[in-house]
Amino acid sequence: GAGVSQTPSNKVTEKGKYVELRCDPISGHTALYWYRQSLGQGPEFLIYFQGTGAADDSGLPNDRFFAVRPEGSVSTLKIQRTERGDSAVYLCASSPQSGDTQYFGPGTRLTVL
Amino acid sequence: GNSVTQMEGPVTLSEEAFLTINCTYTATGYPSLFWYVQYPGEGLQLLLKATKADDKGSNKGFEATYRKETTSFHLEKGSVQVSDSAVYFCALSDSDSGAGSYQLTFGKGTKLSVIP
Repeated sequence: GAGVSQTPSNKVTEKGKYVELRCDPISGHTALYWYRQSLGQGPEFLIYFQGTGAADDSGLPNDRFFAVRPEGSVSTLKIQRTERGDSAVYLCASSPQSGDTQYFGPGTRLTVL
Repeated sequence: GNSVTQMEGPVTLSEEAFLTINCTYTATGYPSLFWYVQYPGEGLQLLLKATKADDKGSNKGFEATYRKETTSFHLEKGSVQVSDSAVYFCALSDSDSGAGSYQLTFGKGTKLSVIP
């Protein structure tokens, strides 16, 4: 079956701009996670959705970052007033339920110039 | 808080050599432990996992045993192949994570290169 998909695969933007990153989880998976992976580091947790609600957003670095999952499936990570330090690969993962194995998408590489 | 420490890379081995990548963890609850692998140009894939103490996870010739007494989950393979060249990440998922999220906490990754 189809895995987790993320679009775009690459995004180049200028400092101060707004970006949206999309994640399509595996069909039927209720849990969805966003992580950020900087160069040479492991992924770091950003936010977790169970269904439509953001149950844990403790990893969001500041209020420029926001994510939604309005219908309990597709999720969008939104970054306002991007900064060069936001450059990283943004990973999405889904699992059937919280606590099950997480399956990762290929990531979106964000470059802020 | 939770943390994962894994050996620094890069690691370069000849084909058929024995591989060990060390991983130790700190967790507040009762974690599950994972090894994920990232092949060149591909996304993160689950390699193996163990959910309780003394469990052994295994896949594709790789093994790791959950050692609670030493808080370790070292990855081993008896005979590596060129196709095993990748970045390996040790990770934990803790039942005490906020709001029951079971978020993953990753190590920094270890790059393995296997030469013919």
